Amino acid sequence: DVKVTQSSRYLVKRTGEKVFLECVQDMDHENMFWYRQDPGLGLRLIYFSYDVKMKEKGDIPEGYSVSREKKERFSLILESASTNQTSMYLCASSFWGAARGNEQFFGPGTRLTVL
Amino acid sequence: QQQVKQSPQSLIVQKGGISIINCAYENTAFDYFPWYQQFPGKGPALLIAIRPDVSEKKEGRFTISFNKSAKQFSLHIMDSQPGDSATYFCAASLAGRDDKIIFGKGTRLHILP
Repeated sequence: DVKVTQSSRYLVKRTGEKVFLECVQDMDHENMFWYRQDPGLGLRLIYFSYDVKMKEKGDIPEGYSVSREKKERFSLILESASTNQTSMYLCASSFWGAARGNEQFFGPGTRLTVL
Repeated sequence: QQQVKQSPQSLIVQKGGISIINCAYENTAFDYFPWYQQFPGKGPALLIAIRPDVSEKKEGRFTISFNKSAKQFSLHIMDSQPGDSATYFCAASLAGRDDKIIFGKGTRLHILP
């Protein structure tokens, strides 16, 4: 079974803190994604990565950065957390290429609260 | 052009009834239309998907109906059960190097026992 794990289920941080959210997948997927999920807004893509050390901005990259030093690991970084970054953060991974159906496999999510 | 519009935002259906969720898109280049199901406390998971060369795909009680000319597709859940209560996301994506999936905003489905 494909497994995508996220380092924390719940996280509480203070405004201005630097926050690291870690994601690991065990299926040798090329693609990895970070989304945030908010009520009424659905899933919004923050950043994604096609390969090691490669990253591309999604729809809402402001206030976030990412790191992918190893194929199986994709980190989301909040350089200076703000209250409007309180949200559910979801990591996903997939194989490269439409031929495999583009199915994304999601982790269980990290609920981040910024006070 | 990159949006997928989903309705309704929430839906309540009696047990045994038919649940219907609708989605519309603008970009005719989209060539893969998945539906994801998310239970509380879990990440979304692929439920069923369709490509535009077919008008319908059925898997058990779940059916996708696809209308290419109208640029609309819908999920039908027959004989809805309380265990189907979840949030459902329709989505669309493009073939090729860009493997992003564009998600709708989701529908919270509640099946009354």
